[in-house]
Amino acid sequence: DAGVTQSPTHLIKTRGQHVTLRCSPISGHKSVSWYQQVLGQGPQFIFQYYEKEERGRGNFPDRFSARQFPNYSSELNVNALLLGDSALYLCASSLRGPISYTFGSGTRLTVV
Amino acid sequence: KNEVEQSPQNLTAQEGEFITINCSYSVGISALHWLQQHPGGGIVSLFMLSSGKKKHGRLIATINIQEKHSSLHITASHPRDSAVYICAVSSGDKLTFGTGTRLAVRP
Repeated sequence: DAGVTQSPTHLIKTRGQHVTLRCSPISGHKSVSWYQQVLGQGPQFIFQYYEKEERGRGNFPDRFSARQFPNYSSELNVNALLLGDSALYLCASSLRGPISYTFGSGTRLTVV
Repeated sequence: KNEVEQSPQNLTAQEGEFITINCSYSVGISALHWLQQHPGGGIVSLFMLSSGKKKHGRLIATINIQEKHSSLHITASHPRDSAVYICAVSSGDKLTFGTGTRLAVRP
């Protein structure tokens, strides 16, 4: 069984652009959460989705949005990119939070 | 003050040493997680605890709910244990992470 898959693995964008990151959870997992990890820091919670509904939102601006599809995969969208958005974006899936999570390998976003 | 505090931030050990990483938290939790992150970013879940103690190979994790404190121990450390170890707590539907402990084990 495949683990949590994220795409792309690396991405370079210019300030002001828009980016879409994708996450496919483990088969059977209905909860997906997104985290931002800036270099040298611990991950910060962005969103959690369960059964296609937003169940939690961290302290991030409205430029950040997400959605979950009927197959439980998820997209994280970031508009009007800033240099400070450069980070590793992690996706985690679970049957339902808060129980054991499985993390993807992340998407490393660089904004120049 | 962060909701999840880890110590030490950095740790260097000689192969074979016994290692302890500490985590304190200040919020009510439903579970505490110990995670391992290698260079490149991928995170592996090591333990999820809500009480007591768990052991997996050379790794042991304990939690004291009353004191809001957890420890991760590595026995007979090995260079392949070198990684960042992160403590995270579940509260509601979200995880709150510590800043991690960077461990380097020298041969």
